Amino acid sequence: GDSVTQMEGPVTLSEEAFLTINCTYTATGYPSLFWYVQYPGEGLQLLLKATKADDKGSNKGFEATYRKETTSFHLEKGSVQVSDSAVYFCALLNNFNKFYFGSGTKLNVKP
Amino acid sequence: GAGVSQSPSNKVTEKGKDVELRCDPISGHTALYWYRQSLGQGLEFLIYFQGNSAPDKSGLPSDRFSAERTGGSVSTLTIQRTQQEDSAVYLCASTTSGGYLGYTFGSGTRLTVV
Repeated sequence: GDSVTQMEGPVTLSEEAFLTINCTYTATGYPSLFWYVQYPGEGLQLLLKATKADDKGSNKGFEATYRKETTSFHLEKGSVQVSDSAVYFCALLNNFNKFYFGSGTKLNVKP
Repeated sequence: GAGVSQSPSNKVTEKGKDVELRCDPISGHTALYWYRQSLGQGLEFLIYFQGNSAPDKSGLPSDRFSAERTGGSVSTLTIQRTQQEDSAVYLCASTTSGGYLGYTFGSGTRLTVV
């Protein structure tokens, strides 16, 4: 069945470090891909999305490129800030309009 | 409304009692999900409503859990005879029928069973 796998956390980085959170997926057809972020004590917010292969989603300095050949949608940011500390969820929407979420990756950014 | 509204935001209940959790999706959104998030864990799919289609109940953990969506809008998740392992944050999300714009999540209901 369809699924999303993302790297286990927590990921701990110093401020201004480069961030990569890996996400790979399994799906039939052509899913849309998403990253959601959950800040401490808050609900999930859509961070960015890509709806077809080679699309790049970007928001707040974060980027992810939809790679069909490697079935991946890795999240990257060139210079993280303390305020980026949160849990990040990768998700896919399959052709049957059903969402699948990864297990989440906690990011801790230290000053 | 402007966002997905869930109520109550917090609920403490005694083991064995029934609880009802409410979700008011964004007006016009035809698709609605319920998820459960236990402390420090990921999202556990519970149930999915899409328009007038029969709901996908495949994620409900037991027959103590049920959900309905009246008039294609407001949804209620009911947990009967609550157990301590039901303690979690229950999240509701809605979207337009295609879903490709992403889901909008409510802020959740934190359920504590004592």
